[in-house]
Amino acid sequence: DAGVTQSPTHLIKTRGQQVTLRCSPKSGHDTVSWYQQALGQGPQFIFQYYEEEERQRGNFPDRFSGHQFPNYSSELNVNALLLGDSALYLCASSLKGQGSYEQYFGPGTRLTVT
Amino acid sequence: SQQGEEDPQALSIQEGENATMNCSYKTSINNLQWYRQNSGRGLVHLILIRSNEREKHSGRLRVTLDTSKKSSSLLITASRAADTASYFCATDPSQTQGGSEKLVFGKGTKLTVNP
Repeated sequence: DAGVTQSPTHLIKTRGQQVTLRCSPKSGHDTVSWYQQALGQGPQFIFQYYEEEERQRGNFPDRFSGHQFPNYSSELNVNALLLGDSALYLCASSLKGQGSYEQYFGPGTRLTVT
Repeated sequence: SQQGEEDPQALSIQEGENATMNCSYKTSINNLQWYRQNSGRGLVHLILIRSNEREKHSGRLRVTLDTSKKSSSLLITASRAADTASYFCATDPSQTQGGSEKLVFGKGTKLTVNP
């Protein structure tokens, strides 16, 4: 049973650039949520995708956008990168279609903006 | 913003001892979940307790929930060096029965278990 996978593992970008992070949910899951975790902090909710639509959004600017594909995988895009965007980006999957509340996290993508 | 507040921020104990971590939150919840994170890697789901439950067990883990005080505790019994990690509580404020909408995390408790 494949768990949540994310790619790439690490990424270094320059201020002003754009980045795309990818996530494949746990087998059988239909919902993907993205979180940003700064060093020494707890994860903060960015947004959630279900049925290929953004369903919930946290307090993040429009520079953060996403997409969900028909196979339930998802991408997180961040435009005009700032130094403050350096963080661990976590993807979590869940099964909303059956009213499940457990979220299962991937290993994360560590983004460094220089 | 982060809703949960874990206490203590850091905890150091000896192998075999019990570890207790507390979490307080501010708004109403559908459920509360505890996660473990090793060295800045992905989070591992430990246990979920629903708002109408008061106590739940899973192996060496015991979680309590007091919705009147908006607080929860995680007890790890007979701790092992492998339990060394950061532990986070996450509240799920979802108002519908249609599955989780989002999780709101605290800053976590860093647990060190010394061999």
